[in-house]
Amino acid sequence: DIVMTQSPDSLAVSLGERATVNCKSSQSVLYSTDNRNYLAWYQQKAGQPPKLLIYWASTRESGVPDRFSGSGSGTDFTLTISSLQAEDVAIYYCQQYFGTPLTFGQGTKVEVK
Amino acid sequence: QLQLQESGPGLVKPSETLSLTCTVSGGSISSNNYYWGWIRQPPGKGLEWIGSIYYSGSTYYSPSLKSRVIISIDTAKNQFSLKVTSVTAADTAVYYCARLVLTGDRGRGFCDYWGRGTLLTVSS
Repeated sequence: DIVMTQSPDSLAVSLGERATVNCKSSQSVLYSTDNRNYLAWYQQKAGQPPKLLIYWASTRESGVPDRFSGSGSGTDFTLTISSLQAEDVAIYYCQQYFGTPLTFGQGTKVEVK
Repeated sequence: QLQLQESGPGLVKPSETLSLTCTVSGGSISSNNYYWGWIRQPPGKGLEWIGSIYYSGSTYYSPSLKSRVIISIDTAKNQFSLKVTSVTAADTAVYYCARLVLTGDRGRGFCDYWGRGTLLTVSS
C-alpha cells in the first residue's frame, strides 16, 4: 500500500495569512506515461462530507477559490491557502490514486489563530 | 446537479451483515467515465477506501476488507450497494458513497461528488 503522511497534524494561522499543508507519499505517484501526479486534496468541514479541492496535484476543481493551490511532484506535495478565511477552518486530506488500495493522509486540521 | 444519498439501518448487531444503498440522482450511473465507490470514516478518524464498482459490474476492493465486502450495482434503479459481513465494533463509521473520476484501471480515481454520509453503529 502507498502510505500518505501529512504534516503538520494541525496548524493555527491568522486570518489573511498563508497556511501550508504538506503530504508525503511512501512511493512516487508520478506516472511516467502521462507525466501526471495522481494526487488529490480534499477539505472536510465539521459534520460534512469531504469536498474535492485539487486533483492531478495542482488542478483546481471548478468553483474552488483561487486562494487554494496545490504543488509538488513525485512524493512530496503541498496545499497552500494563500490568505486564510474563516470559512477555511476544516480538516484537509490528501489522497493518492496512483495505486490500489486508494489511500488518504491522516488529515491536517487548520484553525484560526 | 448530481446528488448521491446513502440509506441504511443505522444500527447493526455484531456478527451480522451491514447493508447500505446509494441512490444517484441528477445523472446516470451508466457512464464509462466514472467508478462508484464507498469510503468510510470512523468517528474522529480519517478516511478509508472500501471499494469501487464500474457500471459494468466490475468490482475493486481494499485488500483489508475484501473477504467481507460485496459491492453491487443496479443501473435500472441508478443505485449501487455495499454489504459488509461479520461486522464488529471496528466497522462503526460514517459511510460515504462517492463518484470517482476514472483515472485508470482497478477502481482508481478521485472523488468529485460525495453523499452526505450515514452513521453505521455496530452494537448489541
